[in-house]
Amino acid sequence: EADIYQTPRYLVIGTGKKITLECSQTMGHDKMYWYQQDPGMELHLIHYSYGVNSTEKGDLSSESTVSRIRTEHFPLTLESARPSHTSQYLCASSAIGGGNQPQHFGDGTRLSIL
Amino acid sequence: RKEVEQDPGPFNVPEGATVAFNCTYSNSASQSFFWYRQDCRKEPKLLMSVYSSGNEDGRFTAQLNRASQYISLLIRDSKLSDSATYLCVVSEISGTYKYIFGTGTRLKVLA
Repeated sequence: EADIYQTPRYLVIGTGKKITLECSQTMGHDKMYWYQQDPGMELHLIHYSYGVNSTEKGDLSSESTVSRIRTEHFPLTLESARPSHTSQYLCASSAIGGGNQPQHFGDGTRLSIL
Repeated sequence: RKEVEQDPGPFNVPEGATVAFNCTYSNSASQSFFWYRQDCRKEPKLLMSVYSSGNEDGRFTAQLNRASQYISLLIRDSKLSDSATYLCVVSEISGTYKYIFGTGTRLKVLA
């Protein structure tokens, strides 16, 4: 079983607040990712990282930012939350290996902005 | 045309039935293929990687057809607990970040 953890699991918060969603993995994976998924819809990549000090934006435009100061930690920050940010946020990681290794997902953070 | 396409379903099947899903991909350079299972409001969980020679894990069999650019998932003797959305994931050449997710096929196994 993959060891990747997200906190909080659920967050309901008011508009304008600064939010940080935490993601940690204990597998030593170099690659980490953030996805956004609305109910019944497909996953959209919003950020990814190949390793420490490497971060890139994904396919879906997002007002969030990420950092990768340690291999195991890949937090996502929203400076000023808006109702349009309401969604599920999924963190994933994968190893570097021959071919592409599968991604392993955390439990997700369900974010609701009032 | 989407890069990865799946029939959204739902596939409603009785317990014990055999059900097959297909997934087509557009990039012939794609190298790695996976099936994930996602329960409602949960995270995707890796079901199996798909190898060129095909592979089996218990009641689940995955096949890859590079010539026709599709992968398949066969579930035998389906259980109520198999009810979920099955996501096809395709990854492009080694080293890239790009994992492309299908929209998923919903399966409902009925008692």
